[in-house]
Amino acid sequence: DQQVKQNSPSLSVQEGRISILNCDYTNSMFDYFLWYKKYPAEGPTFLISISSIKDKNEDGRFTVFLNKSAKHLSLHIVPSQPGDSAVYFCAASGRWNKLIFGTGTRLQVFP
Amino acid sequence: GAGVSQTPSNKVTEKGKYVELRCDPISGHTALYWYRQSLGQGPEFLIYFQGTGAADDSGLPNDRFFAVRPEGSVSTLKIQRTERGDSAVYLCASSSTGGSVYGYTFGSGTRLTVV
Repeated sequence: DQQVKQNSPSLSVQEGRISILNCDYTNSMFDYFLWYKKYPAEGPTFLISISSIKDKNEDGRFTVFLNKSAKHLSLHIVPSQPGDSAVYFCAASGRWNKLIFGTGTRLQVFP
Repeated sequence: GAGVSQTPSNKVTEKGKYVELRCDPISGHTALYWYRQSLGQGPEFLIYFQGTGAADDSGLPNDRFFAVRPEGSVSTLKIQRTERGDSAVYLCASSSTGGSVYGYTFGSGTRLTVV
């Protein structure tokens, strides 16, 4: 069973507009949620996280929203830039800081 | 070094052979993790080391997979009798205390191809 799901495999957004990436989870015991960004032939790089006791965390152009009742989180990027084009993974932290990843969403930002 | 180093970056091996994948974590990071990323999937947890000991190896798929970290720094993932289904990118990550808040640092991975 997939505990963390990213149902949109790809997203295409015009430069300057908002990108919204979505993630759903099933386990209410997760304590932290994280977003990672991955370029080809590189490892995932940490982008932003949110504790399960919060509903919003903002860092520059990136904001993560958590809706615990819906078991849903989203990453907002505004304004989107061409350099944001990458695969974005949602991850949830469980015991021992073990991360459970979604399958990723490929974001393409076009001019 | 400044980041997590994984060697080799690419490994092609024949079915049935033995392979070793190496991870050199960030200096001072006590926690080390191995993940495996198959095509079209997200990284999947394999094993977690705290210091020299494996605190959680529940993600190792079967007894052909084994990992060690004898001195609490470099780790080696060992795969015996490789199968074509083992083909994937093997990612190593390290973190200091508080990894779940600040996120790990991943290496660039070893792409293993079993032919």
